[in-house]
Amino acid sequence: DQQVKQNSPSLSVQEGRISILNCDYTNSMFDYFLWYKKYPAEGPTFLISISSIKDKNEDGRFTVFLNKSAKHLSLHIVPSQPGDSAVYFCAAQRSGTYKYIFGTGTRLKVLA
Amino acid sequence: DSGVTQTPKHLITATGQRVTLRCSPRSGDLSVYWYQQSLDQGLQFLIQYYNGEERAKGNILERFSAQQFPDLHSELNLSSLELGDSALYFCASSLTGGKGGYTFGSGTRLTVV
Repeated sequence: DQQVKQNSPSLSVQEGRISILNCDYTNSMFDYFLWYKKYPAEGPTFLISISSIKDKNEDGRFTVFLNKSAKHLSLHIVPSQPGDSAVYFCAAQRSGTYKYIFGTGTRLKVLA
Repeated sequence: DSGVTQTPKHLITATGQRVTLRCSPRSGDLSVYWYQQSLDQGLQFLIQYYNGEERAKGNILERFSAQQFPDLHSELNLSSLELGDSALYFCASSLTGGKGGYTFGSGTRLTVV
């Protein structure tokens, strides 16, 4: 049972435009969410996080939005750059636990 | 360099064999996590150790075991290997194991032939 879903395996965006990556979850007990970025031959690197008490968190070009009623979060990258081309994973943590449940990832390709 | 060191980077072995994957956490981090990423799959949580003790367990097979040593490095032991065990195995570490992101190593690619 996939509790964290990224339904788009890939996304292509023109340089300078907005990239929107989506993530859905099923467990209403999740209270902390993160996005990781992964380049080939490297481990995932932490990008941005959001607590369930917020609906938005911003860090430079990256903004994460959380819609608790829809159990949906999204990562916006504005403007997109070719160096943003990578696989993006969303992850969720349930209150009182220590592990993160990861989605299957979305491969973003930013076209120059 | 993330500060989390995983060895070896690549491993090719035959079915039925046993291998050990090693992880050195980032300096100061007490918690170590192991994740498995199979082809086109997300990262599947295997197990977490905190300061030498097992803290959380995921869908880890009985053929797999792990431990964290007093110097905080961790080993993941995979035995009676099957073709389906071929995957990327990531180790991650964090200071406490609570909220906040992990720091991942670059992974060990295991190929079972």
